[in-house]
Amino acid sequence: AQSVTQLGSHVSVSEGALVLLRCNYSSSVPPYLFWYVQYPNQGLQLLLKYTTGATLVKGINGFEAEFKKSETSFHLTKPSAHMSDAAEYFCAVYSGGYQKVTFGIGTKLQVIP
Amino acid sequence: EAGVTQFPSHSVIEKGQTVTLRCDPISGHDNLYWYRRVMGKEIKFLLHFVKESKQDESGMPNNRFLAERTGGTYSTLKVQPAELEDSGVYFCASSPQGAEQYFGPGTRLTVT
Repeated sequence: AQSVTQLGSHVSVSEGALVLLRCNYSSSVPPYLFWYVQYPNQGLQLLLKYTTGATLVKGINGFEAEFKKSETSFHLTKPSAHMSDAAEYFCAVYSGGYQKVTFGIGTKLQVIP
Repeated sequence: EAGVTQFPSHSVIEKGQTVTLRCDPISGHDNLYWYRRVMGKEIKFLLHFVKESKQDESGMPNNRFLAERTGGTYSTLKVQPAELEDSGVYFCASSPQGAEQYFGPGTRLTVT
């Protein structure tokens, strides 16, 4: 089985502050890991992904995430929050054996001016 | 290249009625997925098509849900009869090979 745990359904940060959204996963096989973002009234957009190779992956809009196998984590970070980052963020895992994506519950990010 | 499209964007129906949701995947993508997000819960897998064949329908809630993908192109998801607990956002995704899935904007279904 595979599962994803996102710590914190709501996170608030000040504009310009560090964004840290936590994600832990479980998978019986080497996983592919994703972060998706959903802006208000829009669909899911891929932010970044880890498949193989370099464990620090960079995505769009200045976000990055680091795959830590020993901690089964894939936390999402951005050095400086912008008002436009306010959205809901989903961590997800895919493993070939299951042929489907398993999502975390989502974290709503609020950016305070 | 056009992305995944879904129709309608919103649907409000009464309990007991029938609703059909449509998904047009990215051209050439053999894999098509349906997911659903009930308010406050995680996005959950419903089923997976490879071309016109159902590869995995383990996530379908019950037999009131029927998905089809005639000709391996667009897909429909019919709910008949709809119940209150069917309300949520239904997402469709397509993929050329499975791992990276491209999601549509979703259909928000409200059953009253």
